[in-house]
This record gives sequence, structure tokens and C-alpha cells, in this order.
Amino acid sequence: AQSVTQLDSHVSVSEGTPVLLRCNYSSSYSPSLFWYVQHPNKGLQLLLKYTSAATLVKGINGFEAEFKKSETSFHLTKPSAHMSDAAEYFCVGSYAGNMLTFGGGTRLMVKP
Amino acid sequence: GAGVSQSPSNKVTEKGKDVELRCDPISGHTALYWYRQSLGQGLEFLIYFQGNSAPDKSGLPSDRFSAERTGGSVSTLTIQRTQQEDSAVYLCASSLYSGISYEQYFGPGTRLTVT
Repeated sequence: AQSVTQLDSHVSVSEGTPVLLRCNYSSSYSPSLFWYVQHPNKGLQLLLKYTSAATLVKGINGFEAEFKKSETSFHLTKPSAHMSDAAEYFCVGSYAGNMLTFGGGTRLMVKP
Repeated sequence: GAGVSQSPSNKVTEKGKDVELRCDPISGHTALYWYRQSLGQGLEFLIYFQGNSAPDKSGLPSDRFSAERTGGSVSTLTIQRTQQEDSAVYLCASSLYSGISYEQYFGPGTRLTVT
């Protein structure tokens, strides 16, 4: 079965420092990959997506992710964390083009 | 424009009762998806509708779960004889068409608690 694994269930950073949220995917074939963010009591919002064009993908709110086939990774980064970035982040794969396969989620905490 | 809406936002029901959860997709979106977000299982796909085609029910956990989509728009997810393990947040999403090129827009979810 296809799968997406988020390596950290919780990440804590200080405001102004870099953010790294790690994601690996199963490699039977290259999926399309997405990062979604979920703020408390809010719906899921798409941050960015990779669909086999450029391997470095830029998203909203200063986030970006790099697709590395050799490492089967799609890590999410941001140079400088903001308090408003505190949320749960989901790395998501689309293997069949329709349904989404979600990672377990990473809760990002930002300390002042 | 209006996003995906779901109702009710919260539902508490007794074990063994039936519940119906409603999803109003974005107008004009032909694809509609149901997902479930629970503590033990994370976020998982349940069912998917595309236009008038037969739905993909491959994610439904048991035959107590069913869904329909009337007139290619509103969808209802029905859970019969609810069990405590059905407690979760049920998310609906829609997209203009199916396929990876089309972003799925999510509703706020319905939090179901089975007592």
C-alpha cells in the first residue's frame, strides 16, 4: 500500500528561527505530494503541491518544499517562524489521482 | 465565494443510533470526497464521487457507512447503528474535477461523538 510518513509528531521552534517538518513517501512510483495546514477548529488549507514539474515548490506564507526522489522525501521548510504558523501540518500523497493519503500530522509549536 | 460547508458542526449521539452528516460542496465542483479524522487512525479517505459516475467506496470501514450525492451537489454521509469507535471529525472536500491538478477544498468538518 502507498503511504506517507511524517517523521515528527511534534516540532517546537522559537519565533524567528527556521522551520523543518519532515515527510517521506513510499516509492513504488512517484506520487503527487502536498502539504496542508490545519489551524485549530479550522478546515484544511493547501500550502503547496508538487506534481512532477519543478522539484522546489513555493507555497503560501513563505513555506516551501523540495521533492527529492533519491531520498523519497518532501520536507517542508520556512526560513523564519511566525507565531501564526502554530498549527498541525499534514504531508499528503496522491497516488491514484483521486483520493488523498495523509501522513500522521506534525503539530508545530512556536515559542515567543 | 462560499466554501465547502458541513452540518452539523457538532453531533452527539447515543451508541446504536443512526446519524446523517451533510456536505454542501463549492458550486460547480464535480468531485466530492469524504474523509475521517480520528485519534487512532489519523486522516483517512472514506468515499469519493465524480459527476454521475459510481462512487469509489473503497475507504468505507464497514457496511454501516453509506453516502449519497443528490443532483451532483449536496452529499449525505449516513452511519447506521453508531459505535463508539465512529467518534471522529468527518471532513468533506470538493474539487472542480477529479485528479491531481485540481485542489481539494475542505470544509470545517463535523465532530461526531458517540456516547
